[in-house]
Amino acid sequence: AQSVAQPEDQVNVAEGNPLTVKCTYSVSGNPYLFWYVQYPNRGLQFLLKYITGDNLVKGSYGFEAEFNKSQTSFHLKKPSALVSDSALYFCAVRDIEGYSTLTFGKGTMLLVSP
Amino acid sequence: GAGVSQTPSNKVTEKGKYVELRCDPISGHTALYWYRQSLGQGPEFLIYFQGTGAADDSGLPNDRFFAVRPEGSVSTLKIQRTERGDSAVYLCASSPALQPGELFFGEGSRLTVL
Repeated sequence: AQSVAQPEDQVNVAEGNPLTVKCTYSVSGNPYLFWYVQYPNRGLQFLLKYITGDNLVKGSYGFEAEFNKSQTSFHLKKPSALVSDSALYFCAVRDIEGYSTLTFGKGTMLLVSP
Repeated sequence: GAGVSQTPSNKVTEKGKYVELRCDPISGHTALYWYRQSLGQGPEFLIYFQGTGAADDSGLPNDRFFAVRPEGSVSTLKIQRTERGDSAVYLCASSPALQPGELFFGEGSRLTVL
């Protein structure tokens, strides 16, 4: 079985400050890891993914994430937050071997204050 | 269109009624997924199609739920004898076959069972 944990229901940060949204995962094999963002009344939008290669991956809107195999983590980061980054963020995992669907975490609400 | 299209965007029905939700995936995408997102939760997997066949339907909650994809493109999620607990946003996603990348999501169909 595969699973994702997002330990924070909400993250608050001031505009211009760095942000981190945490994610840990569990898979039986090696993972493919993803971050999605969801704005109110909208579908999920893809931000970035880790498939293989460099542990630091860069994605849309200045976001990046670091894959840490020993800690089974894939935290989302951004050096300088914008008010427009306020949204619901989901981490997702897919096992490389066998299982073909994405399993999502419960989401973390990011609130960036002016 | 260029993206995944879902209809209707909103559906209100009465307990016990039958409902159909439609998904039109991105052209050329052979994999199609249905997820359900309840308030405050992450998307939960329902069923996955590869072409016309359901490759994995382990997420369907009970036999009131059924999905088809007769020609390998458009899919319909069917819910019989709806219950209030079926109220949620039903998300459809598609992806090209045999690649480990992201899923492309539609904006969802919000189902409310009164």
